[in-house]
Amino acid sequence: GEDVEQSLFLSVREGDSSVINCTYTDSSSTYLYWYKQEPGAGLQLLTYIFSNMDMKQDQRLTVLLNKKDKHLSLRIADTQTGDSAIYFCAEAVSGGSYIPTFGRGTSLIVHP
Amino acid sequence: KAGVTQTPRYLIKTRGQQVTLSCSPISGHRSVSWYQQTPGQGLQFLFEYFSETQRNKGNFPGRFSGRQFSNSRSEMNVSTLELGDSALYLCASSLEGQNQETQYFGPGTRLLVL
Repeated sequence: GEDVEQSLFLSVREGDSSVINCTYTDSSSTYLYWYKQEPGAGLQLLTYIFSNMDMKQDQRLTVLLNKKDKHLSLRIADTQTGDSAIYFCAEAVSGGSYIPTFGRGTSLIVHP
Repeated sequence: KAGVTQTPRYLIKTRGQQVTLSCSPISGHRSVSWYQQTPGQGLQFLFEYFSETQRNKGNFPGRFSGRQFSNSRSEMNVSTLELGDSALYLCASSLEGQNQETQYFGPGTRLLVL
């Protein structure tokens, strides 16, 4: 079965880089996603990567995938106070409909 | 283009009652998914509807049900409410419900069961 794990908290200083880590267990072809949830809001898809890729970059966001260790990370460069939120990692097996398994979320706190 | 809307935003019910939540997807989206978010269990997939049919279902009891109308609007129903059903219920829509598509989430309905 699928299981996605994340650390619960991360605190960084404004302007530094943040790295949020996630491990997953499903070994089949899979999509891996990063979502952001701000207080009182739903989830916002930030980026996703397919399991045959190693890296994906989108502006300040860099996703790294280590398939051997089933480890996914999200790096946010030049972290701003507006980046403070809960970040969820999720995986979904490819080849069909989108049925994600989510991690518990990492609370990112950005302080001046 | 309007985003995903959910009504009501907040709801208080008592044990044993039933509740119906509504979700209006983004215009043109045919897939609507529902999720339950609780502090204890995190985010869990409830079910997905596509073209008025339940296409996928998560691991929830039969008290949780839903439907989708011809205009893609969806409702979910929870019967015989339990305290543990207190949660944020999120709805998301996408064009076809495929992995590589972006799912757009609504703000959620916060349900409190007393």
